[in-house]
Amino acid sequence: EVHLVESGGDLVQPGRSLRLSCTASGFIFDDYAMHWVRQVPGKGLEWVSGIGWKSNSIGYADSVKGRFTISRDNAKNSLFLQMNSLRLEDTAMYYCAKAPRAESYYFDYWGQGTLVTVSS
Amino acid sequence: SYELTQSPSVSVSPGQTARINCSGDMLPKKYAYWYQQKSGQAPVLVIYEDTKRPSGTPERFSGSSSGTMATLTISGAQVEDEADYYCYSIDNSGDRRGVFGSGTKVTVL
Repeated sequence: EVHLVESGGDLVQPGRSLRLSCTASGFIFDDYAMHWVRQVPGKGLEWVSGIGWKSNSIGYADSVKGRFTISRDNAKNSLFLQMNSLRLEDTAMYYCAKAPRAESYYFDYWGQGTLVTVSS
Repeated sequence: SYELTQSPSVSVSPGQTARINCSGDMLPKKYAYWYQQKSGQAPVLVIYEDTKRPSGTPERFSGSSSGTMATLTISGAQVEDEADYYCYSIDNSGDRRGVFGSGTKVTVL
C-alpha cells in the first residue's frame, strides 16, 4: 500500500526558511516523479513543484520560483521542499503527491499534508 | 498564463446526475484530470487522461472532453459523493507546470 507522510510544517515568521520532508513507502520510490501541492485553508489546490525520478526534470510554480527548491533522496525514499524567503501567502497545507510514472505531472496518491503557517 | 475555469457549485438530489464542467484553452491539446476532495481529507484521483477511471473509482464517475471543455459526470449521485471536485491539467507552453481549476462544490441532498 502506498503511504506518504509529510513532516516539517511549522509556524514561521515572514522571511524565514523551512524545510518540508515526505517519506514514502509501499512502492519503488526511485521509479516515480513526485510533487508538492498546497492548499490555503478553505481555498483551492495549487501545484507547487515537481521532480522526475532521476531529479533531472524539475518544475516550479511561478509563485515560488527562486524561493523554493525541490529535491529527493532515492536512497532514503524521501522528497523535500526547501522554502526560503517565506511570505504570508505561503501559508497553506502542503501535500506530497506521487505521480504514476517517472516523469508524469499528475498524481495518483497523496499524503495527508503538513501545515505551514507564515505569520509575524 | 493557462487557466482552468469551473463553476463554484452544483447541487443535485440523490440518484440524479451531476455534471461538473472545466474550461480551458489548452484542453483540446492536453488531458484533463479530476480530483475529489472530501472535507478534511486529502484529494483523491477519480478520472485521469480525460476518460479513464483508476481502480477504486465507482463506475458512476465518468469523464469526457470536447474542445475547450472537460466534464466530470456523476451518474446517480450518492450522498457520499458530496465533495469539492478539481479539474487539473498540464501547461507545457513554457516550463512544464501543473494547473488546477478553482474547484466545484458538489452538494447531494
